[in-house]
Amino acid sequence: EAQVTQNPRYLITVTGKKLTVTCSQNMNHEYMSWYRQDPGLGLRQIYYSMNVEVTDKGDVPEGYKVSRKEKRNFPLILESPSPNQTSLYFCASRLVHGGGTDTQYFGPGTRLTVL
Amino acid sequence: ELKVEQNPLFLSMQEGKNYTIYCNYSTTSDRLYWYRQDPGKSLESLFVLLSNGAVKQEGRLMASLDTKARLSTLHITAAVHDLSATYFCAVDANFGNEKLTFGTGTRLTIIP
Repeated sequence: EAQVTQNPRYLITVTGKKLTVTCSQNMNHEYMSWYRQDPGLGLRQIYYSMNVEVTDKGDVPEGYKVSRKEKRNFPLILESPSPNQTSLYFCASRLVHGGGTDTQYFGPGTRLTVL
Repeated sequence: ELKVEQNPLFLSMQEGKNYTIYCNYSTTSDRLYWYRQDPGKSLESLFVLLSNGAVKQEGRLMASLDTKARLSTLHITAAVHDLSATYFCAVDANFGNEKLTFGTGTRLTIIP
């Protein structure tokens, strides 16, 4: 089954404790992206990757890091989480960048609470 | 900075009625997306609109794009309860860049 998986699905942590949210897709997609969703703000793009070793900032990259060492994985790293990073996070992937009618697949989401 | 605005933010409508959700964006774009999100769930891709005048239809939903007016609409025909969800539009302002900017969403509630 074609899917995007995220782990963990729920996480409660404390300020300053480094964490990683994993994202993996089994569709051989080139493009992957991370979003955060906050009430009243919709979804905002954090980082995206056009292919292996190619990443770029979205609209709200501060406080986050990503890496794309393999095509299927795109982890989101919070080196020193703060309470304002409490949010619902989605990973997404897409087959072809730059055109076409391909759809974007979203993972199930990770609800993060930083105390 | 690209801004994407949706109207209305909240919509409550009776079954069987028609209504339209509007998505305005502030800069030139030739790609616009519509997504659906059920409460507590992830996002589901509905439509990809790639050119001026594009129209896509799936069941009771129809989406259109007017790039000159920088406007997309999502029209709901003869609404049914199953369509209750939050609908988002998203715009790719730089062709080939894939950076998406989302609207704040329209929470649609269909009343029996």
